[in-house]
Amino acid sequence: DTEVTQTPKHLVMGMTNKKSLKCEQHMGHRAMYWYKQKAKKPPELMFVYSYEKLSINESVPSRFSPECPNSSLLNLHLHALQPEDSALYLCASSQDGAGVTYNSPLHFGNGTRLTVT
Amino acid sequence: GQNIDQPTEMTATEGAIVQINCTYQTSGFNGLFWYQQHAGEAPTFLSYNVLDGLEEKGRFSSFLSRSKGYSYLLLKELQMKDSASYLCAVSYNNAGNMLTFGGGTRLMVKP
Repeated sequence: DTEVTQTPKHLVMGMTNKKSLKCEQHMGHRAMYWYKQKAKKPPELMFVYSYEKLSINESVPSRFSPECPNSSLLNLHLHALQPEDSALYLCASSQDGAGVTYNSPLHFGNGTRLTVT
Repeated sequence: GQNIDQPTEMTATEGAIVQINCTYQTSGFNGLFWYQQHAGEAPTFLSYNVLDGLEEKGRFSSFLSRSKGYSYLLLKELQMKDSASYLCAVSYNNAGNMLTFGGGTRLMVKP
């Protein structure tokens, strides 16, 4: 079992809906990430929060809005999505803050499989 | 972006050894990770290399040559449960844990 918990596991939404994806970790990790993964493709970085501050936004459309309420929680708010946004959305965390020169592994959640109709 | 290349698919026999190669652009290289991902599941961390040489962890080993921009993941005594995608991921430009992933290698282990 992963120590990064994501809810919901599956989500189907229409293009006019507003929904949120949630991610939680209690390992005391300093950085949290959102990745998007299409079928048979590698994960693509979307956002990075380091010490609860947004440090990276990889040119993600504004219909995706991240939020980090505290050091253990990370949300991704979705609004007016397109069918091509259907994918597996992975949350990850790492012990060290993002952007430091030393590395610690990413711990991934099991993801939310999103379908936009 | 940084090109990270690995074979798309490989097939091997249960009990055998398989080597999955990964090449990457060396400019700004910081470190290299290998992850395993079973279908429909999260990627799980396997190994990390920052210096040249071999890192061994049970049945899995990972090798790095920084000057050649080359790494491989070696899986010994293959088991059916090793059938999965193996992702090579690189950290660049002192960006710490912000990884660029290769396309992944889908390994199929046959009896």
